[in-house]
Amino acid sequence: AQSVTQLDSQVPVFEEAPVELRCNYSSSVSVYLFWYVQYPNQGLQLLLKYLSGSTLVKGINGFEAEFNKSQTSFHLRKPSVHISDTAEYFCAVSKIQGAQKLVFGQGTRLTINP
Amino acid sequence: DTAVSQTPKYLVTQMGNDKSIKCEQNLGHDTMYWYKQDSKKFLKIMFSYNNKELIINETVPNRFSPKSPDKAHLNLHINSLELGDSAVYFCASSQDTLGGIETQYFGPGTRLLVL
Repeated sequence: AQSVTQLDSQVPVFEEAPVELRCNYSSSVSVYLFWYVQYPNQGLQLLLKYLSGSTLVKGINGFEAEFNKSQTSFHLRKPSVHISDTAEYFCAVSKIQGAQKLVFGQGTRLTINP
Repeated sequence: DTAVSQTPKYLVTQMGNDKSIKCEQNLGHDTMYWYKQDSKKFLKIMFSYNNKELIINETVPNRFSPKSPDKAHLNLHINSLELGDSAVYFCASSQDTLGGIETQYFGPGTRLLVL
């Protein structure tokens, strides 16, 4: 079975500051990794995903994430945040083999302060 | 041009009632999903259908019954609603279920409140 832990439930940041949202996962099999964003009262939208190859993945809205296999981590970063980045961020994994089933972390609420 | 749509957006009902939530996708995808997001924002998959066939059925009470009349629709029927069923239910779709690499596209959610 797979599990995902997002280490921070809330992260307050000032506008234009850098941010890192942490994600660790556990799995006995190889997985793909995802970050989704949920803006207030909306559905989830894919930010980026790691399938294979370069461990640094770039996504939409200036976000990037780095896959670290030895630390089983997939932390999300942005060098300079905007007010519009205020949202809930979810890390997820999916087994490489078999039916796709996203297993989500608990979410991290990112709040950008002016 | 909504890719994944759900109706209704809000649903308030009494305990013991039966209700349905509808989901439609116009992306031409083969696979559809239902997720439940609880009050603590925790998201968990409930069901997945591929070309109208059930492929994932998590530990969900049998009061919940998904129905897929065609591959563009996946409806969720809930019998004998309980207080604990209050949550946001998200529908999603993806091109193919094999390999786990296809992006899932989510609907806007249906906020269910059971009184």
